[in-house]
Amino acid sequence: DAGVIQSPRHEVTEMGQEVTLRCKPISGHDYLFWYRQTMMRGLELLIYFNNNVPIDDSGMPEDRFSAKMPNASFSTLKIQPSEPRDSAVYFCASSSRLAGGTYEQYFGPGTRLTVT
Amino acid sequence: AQTVTQSQPEMSVQEAETVTLSCTYDTSESDYYLFWYKQPPSRQMILVIRQEAYKQQNATENRFSVNFQKAAKSFSLKISDSQLGDAAMYFCAYRYQGAQKLVFGQGTRLTINP
Repeated sequence: DAGVIQSPRHEVTEMGQEVTLRCKPISGHDYLFWYRQTMMRGLELLIYFNNNVPIDDSGMPEDRFSAKMPNASFSTLKIQPSEPRDSAVYFCASSSRLAGGTYEQYFGPGTRLTVT
Repeated sequence: AQTVTQSQPEMSVQEAETVTLSCTYDTSESDYYLFWYKQPPSRQMILVIRQEAYKQQNATENRFSVNFQKAAKSFSLKISDSQLGDAAMYFCAYRYQGAQKLVFGQGTRLTINP
């Protein structure tokens, strides 16, 4: 299994530009999560989907952030317009129900975003 | 709201020795899961070990074990025979059984001294 795939691994952009981060979850997983990691706030959940439907977006910081999951194998996190305070590492994770009933989240390698 | 606290921002240990990382959490729920994730310099978040709250037996994975004290809401990670490859940030995380959201602690940076 290839694991969770994220692209790009690094993104440098100028303030005001649109940024799109991409994620391919592990095949067969029915949950997908977007996290943001910063020094100040640590790891925080932005949004998660179940069967392609957004379930909880209470962590999305503001209207500049949007996330979509058009099908079971692809999701995007978009920031428009980007600001320097959006600089962070963005992780995508996916999970499914394991034998025994529990779920475990598997993380992608992250995208390091720098907004100048 | 559930919170997870890691009171040790940094720890160091000599190679081959044992180290314990601390984690406490606050919840009013009785059914939940606790996790330790490792984040090496590559940034990849790797699940190290999982503990179900309803299980009294402490989880063990090779050199990694936990000390789960439910009443004290404490969940420490013990690494035995530390190896250079164990150097990383370690995050404690909580998830309520009826939810999917993971709540993370602030992390502990572990350094292994050769």
